[in-house]
Amino acid sequence: AQSVTQLGSHVSVSEGALVLLRCNYSSSVPPYLFWYVQYPNQGLQLLLKYTTGATLVKGINGFEAEFKKSETSFHLTKPSAHMSDAAEYFCAVNHGSSNTGKLIFGQGTTLQVKP
Amino acid sequence: DSGVTQTPKHLITATGQRVTLRCSPRSGDLSVYWYQQSLDQGLQFLIQYYNGEERAKGNILERFSAQQFPDLHSELNLSSLELGDSALYFCASSVVEGNGYTFGSGTRLTVV
Repeated sequence: AQSVTQLGSHVSVSEGALVLLRCNYSSSVPPYLFWYVQYPNQGLQLLLKYTTGATLVKGINGFEAEFKKSETSFHLTKPSAHMSDAAEYFCAVNHGSSNTGKLIFGQGTTLQVKP
Repeated sequence: DSGVTQTPKHLITATGQRVTLRCSPRSGDLSVYWYQQSLDQGLQFLIQYYNGEERAKGNILERFSAQQFPDLHSELNLSSLELGDSALYFCASSVVEGNGYTFGSGTRLTVV
């Protein structure tokens, strides 16, 4: 069965500092991996995704993530945090060869950005 | 605006009642997914429909049911409501399965 673990339910960084949100997955087959962001009182917005090909994936708002099969990880990074990055971030996995689009989500990480 | 429309945005109802949540997918998207988001359970997959047919089922209670209509909009029916059903219910849609999807802004259900 697939699962996702996000390390750290809350992460706090200073404005301008590096953002690192950790995600580890469990999947018996090559996974498709996703990061979503949720701002207060809004739905989830896709930040980036890895399906096949290049393991370093660039997304919106300056975020990127690297798929590391040997570490079963898909950590999200951004070189310099901005106040507007404060939100909840979700990592998700899909069974790449499945005939459904069902996503399994991690528990989420709340990012706080301090001025 | 993501293109996925959910109505109503807020719903307050009493225990034991029945409600219907509606979702209109993005134009051209054939798949609709329903998720429940609560503080203790996180984001839980409920059910998926593809072009009118049930495709996958998750942790959906027997008191809950869903369907997708010929015009591709979907409805999630919640009956015999309990306090613990209070949550955000999200609908999402996609063109291609397995490639991620677009979420609506959700329906916040409060059961009192």
